[in-house]
Amino acid sequence: AQSVTQLGSHVSVSEGALVLLRCNYSSSVPPYLFWYVQYPNQGLQLLLKYTSAATLVKGINGFEAEFKKSETSFHLTKPSAHMSDAAEYFCAVSDTGTASKLTFGTGTRLQVTL
Amino acid sequence: EPEVTQTPSHQVTQMGQEVILRCVPISNHLYFYWYRQILGQKVEFLVSFYNNEISEKSEIFDDQFSVERPDGSNFTLKIRSTKLEDSAMYFCASSDPGGTQYFGPGTRLTVL
Repeated sequence: AQSVTQLGSHVSVSEGALVLLRCNYSSSVPPYLFWYVQYPNQGLQLLLKYTSAATLVKGINGFEAEFKKSETSFHLTKPSAHMSDAAEYFCAVSDTGTASKLTFGTGTRLQVTL
Repeated sequence: EPEVTQTPSHQVTQMGQEVILRCVPISNHLYFYWYRQILGQKVEFLVSFYNNEISEKSEIFDDQFSVERPDGSNFTLKIRSTKLEDSAMYFCASSDPGGTQYFGPGTRLTVL
């Protein structure tokens, strides 16, 4: 069975500071990994995905994530936070690329302060 | 840009009533999904659907739930007899051949 652990249900950073949101996964097969963002009262928007190609994945809005097999991690980073980044971020894993359910983490709420 | 749409955005119903949540997936996608998110909790998988049949379902997806693709564009989730604990945000998703799932904006279901 697959699972995802997101450390830190709430993360607060200052505007312009580094954003680091942690995700560790458990999977019995090479995983497909995703980060989704959810703005208040909206649906889930794909930020980026890892599908066994390059280990450093770049996504939208300046976010990127690095797949580290040895650490079973897929942490999300952004060099400089912006107020508009305030949202809930979900890490998710699936075991194949097609028609496979996503297993989500519990989410991390990012707060950006002035 | 193509997107998944869902109607209604908010549904209020009485306990024991049937509800149908509707979704229009992205037109060239072949795989469809329903997820739910109870307030303050994580997003949970309900069911996946391909080639007019269920591919996988979770333990949440019991006999009270059903899915259907009644025509070439709609994908529906029916809850036959709603319970208070069915109150949640329900998300529809569809995936491209590469497997990336794109989500709709959700339907907030409130069971009174």
